[in-house]
Amino acid sequence: AQKVTQAQTEISVVEKEDVTLDCVYETRDTTYYLFWYKQPPSGELVFLIRRNSFDEQNEISGRYSWNFQKSTSSFNFTITASQVVDSAVYFCALKGHNTDKLIFGTGTRLQVFP
Amino acid sequence: NAGVTQTPKFRILKIGQSMTLQCTQDMNHNYMYWYRQDPGMGLKLIYYSVGAGITDKGEVPNGYNVSRSTTEDFPLRLELAAPSQTSVYFCASSYGGSAEAFFGQGTRLTVV
Repeated sequence: AQKVTQAQTEISVVEKEDVTLDCVYETRDTTYYLFWYKQPPSGELVFLIRRNSFDEQNEISGRYSWNFQKSTSSFNFTITASQVVDSAVYFCALKGHNTDKLIFGTGTRLQVFP
Repeated sequence: NAGVTQTPKFRILKIGQSMTLQCTQDMNHNYMYWYRQDPGMGLKLIYYSVGAGITDKGEVPNGYNVSRSTTEDFPLRLELAAPSQTSVYFCASSYGGSAEAFFGQGTRLTVV
């Protein structure tokens, strides 16, 4: 079975603070794919990143960075110097190579205050 | 390039009515998915398809049906609508199972 846990329901920060969103996953597959999506208040789902299980390099894209650790089954997302425009719900998702189901966590609502 | 298109955007149904949520994509993706998102909750997988003629149940399939007669279209059918089906429905597609999924704008459905 596959499972994605985002234990943080809601996080509030003040602009320019750094914030980390946690994602813990479970899968029996040895090859799998992890994703992060952003859902701004307008409601659409925006793809942020995809990570293969065999590539444990961390990734940085501007103010965004992702820390993938297979040893702890975690794929955490950090926003550096947060901005009000980062306010959104962020979802972590998982797909095992041997299953065709793309499963999402329950999301973390991030509120960035000016 | 339209991507994933869902219609309608909003709909109000009475209990017991039926309707079909339409989803079409123009990216020649073989994988397609239907999710529902209840208020303040995550996305739950209803049904998915890995290609034309192939569909399978997700996490919450009860009360729904799907078909996939073409690569482009993946309609979701609600039979005998119930208040518990009030939700926002998202359709998504991806090029293969390992690729990122692209989402439609969603359909907000209210059953009264």
